[in-house]
Amino acid sequence: VQVVESGGGLVQPGRSLRLSCTGSGFIFGDYAMNWVRQAPGRGLEWVGLIRNKNYGETTQYDASVKGRFTISRDNSKSIAYLQMNSLETEDTAIYYCARAIVGSAQAYYFDYWGQGTLVTVSS
Amino acid sequence: EIVMTQSPATLSVSPGERATLSCRASQSISSDLAWYQQKPGQAPRLLIYGASTRATGIPAKFSGSGSGAEFTLTISSLQSEDFAVYYCQHYNNWPLTFGGGTKVEIK
Repeated sequence: VQVVESGGGLVQPGRSLRLSCTGSGFIFGDYAMNWVRQAPGRGLEWVGLIRNKNYGETTQYDASVKGRFTISRDNSKSIAYLQMNSLETEDTAIYYCARAIVGSAQAYYFDYWGQGTLVTVSS
Repeated sequence: EIVMTQSPATLSVSPGERATLSCRASQSISSDLAWYQQKPGQAPRLLIYGASTRATGIPAKFSGSGSGAEFTLTISSLQSEDFAVYYCQHYNNWPLTFGGGTKVEIK
């Protein structure tokens, strides 16, 4: 199982950026995929998740990004995307993609993580 | 939102000793708790899910316990590779939240 993020970089405040998360070694469409971020020197912050097709590929977001960030997926390519709009300096972080496992309460934990991609929002 | 509080923030332990880390939820989360280990410059790694089930490939020196709102991660006989930051995460409802982390450092 491998998860690899790409697409990070330097972007100006107010602009957009799209991150990609490519999965391999597992049946991508069978799993929810998730994004977590970590600001420099800080802890982990959940961003959002997209469920698998059995759950209608529905999404959940943290309030801090809801309305600005959108998660989508292309199972034919084994890729999940994080579209980030109206970026703010506070969005500067390493963004991790992780495969998600559903628990009994229909929420998720994360069993395989990528190495992350750095997003820097600065003028 | 469920707030996850980890203590202590930093734990100084001598090699070979045991470390006990705590995680408290602001409300009951049953056993819907995961623990992760993160070393500098690396991605987090899943250690424990369901409060007490070790993930694939995780050695028995890592053990989790607790239910409801109080949880513990115990690491027996610490070795150099165990010095890292440990995070708990609940998955009982939305939004998912992490604790602030406990840094386990060499004493």
